[in-house]
Amino acid sequence: DAMVIQNPRYQVTQFGKPVTLSCSQTLNHNVMYWYQQKSSQAPKLLFHYYDKDFNNEADTPDNFQSRRPNTSFCFLDIRSPGLGDAAMYLCATSTDRAQETQYFGPGTRLLVL
Amino acid sequence: KNQVEQSPQSLIILEGKNCTLQCNYTVSPFSNLRWYKQDTGRGPVSLTIMTFSENTKSNGRYTATLDADTKQSSLHITASQLSDSASYICVVSEFNTDKLIFGTGTRLQVFP
Repeated sequence: DAMVIQNPRYQVTQFGKPVTLSCSQTLNHNVMYWYQQKSSQAPKLLFHYYDKDFNNEADTPDNFQSRRPNTSFCFLDIRSPGLGDAAMYLCATSTDRAQETQYFGPGTRLLVL
Repeated sequence: KNQVEQSPQSLIILEGKNCTLQCNYTVSPFSNLRWYKQDTGRGPVSLTIMTFSENTKSNGRYTATLDADTKQSSLHITASQLSDSASYICVVSEFNTDKLIFGTGTRLQVFP
């Protein structure tokens, strides 16, 4: 019954070693989002896809990239993780932009050593 | 700057009691206001979503109210249960940009 699936749930990487987080959805939603959430803070939008149209937030570091090869899958690539990138990364989907409810995945907790 | 502020920051109540969480926002104009519940280590789950023309919306023991004139919303939890322990996040979407503005949440703990 899982609708938004994120893998892995926990990821440990080394400082500077590239890492990829994945998100898949069974809802056939047009829009997929990636958020970064640090402890006790609100989720921060990194970027989103409307279909294949990529929308980057102005303050998202270049270190963060994303790919959406098809409707169901979306990847977050962190090219050179720093200690400050340790956080929970949340994937979300919606049928349309902000007018509709966003469905969140369980998140991937990233630890950078 | 569009902001969403929530109070209290944290709240402790006994099981079975009611509580009310507050959300004040400056986002204008806005499309809708949502309340999410986020369990520790999990993604947020939508509780309610209200457009600017709606005053109240319920989802089981959760009732959200919205006063678009004063830019305030509240989430009332009735007969709290231990499973209500979580963070509750208020989110407002900007009308022009569709951007979501998140509050920092209220951390609720329900004790037996």
